[in-house]
Amino acid sequence: DTEVTQTPKHLVMGMTNKKSLKCEQHMGHRAMYWYKQKAKKPPELMFVYSYEKLSINESVPSRFSPECPNSSLLNLHLHALQPEDSALYLCASSQEGPSTGELFFGEGSRLTVL
Amino acid sequence: GQNIDQPTEMTATEGAIVQINCTYQTSGFNGLFWYQQHAGEAPTFLSYNVLDGLEEKGRFSSFLSRSKGYSYLLLKELQMKDSASYLCAVRDYAAGNKLTFGGGTRVLVKP
Repeated sequence: DTEVTQTPKHLVMGMTNKKSLKCEQHMGHRAMYWYKQKAKKPPELMFVYSYEKLSINESVPSRFSPECPNSSLLNLHLHALQPEDSALYLCASSQEGPSTGELFFGEGSRLTVL
Repeated sequence: GQNIDQPTEMTATEGAIVQINCTYQTSGFNGLFWYQQHAGEAPTFLSYNVLDGLEEKGRFSSFLSRSKGYSYLLLKELQMKDSASYLCAVRDYAAGNKLTFGGGTRVLVKP
């Protein structure tokens, strides 16, 4: 099993809604990531969890709140988002941690904020 | 910080060879990755270089020169399905080993 699974695939929400994006991997990877990707732009790092601890926060606004309940799961809680937050949100994982190995990406959750 | 440059677009003919260059500047180089991304899909890993030289994987090869801050991805025997964006990404240990992507190169393969 070499998959990173993200749900939902598509999400439409209003600016006052609270929603969550979910990511799961069963490869035994110890680092998990959230990236944001706007159309025709490269992925931009948001958060890194290494061994279930937050190791990098790229100065992301507090309306995005990550959570790593266990080594297989990564959530991104969304609250009071803005229309400019509409993007593809990619989850990724890597085997040992941020310092080694390639990242495996999920299919992404396409978010539209109205 | 990091500065990663690659061409925006390239066009090539089916069966031909295309070379995508990537130059980078980083404080603590700890590996360079190439990813392929089809429109609307997730990036998929192609290759990884951390030492100088050429890594070959089937029709795809990647080269690294750390002293020049330079890499290229070589795609041989191009197929229509190779039309995609190709992302160069650099890991920087001076920045917590974060992986930063270049802007991507859109490759269009024509019959």
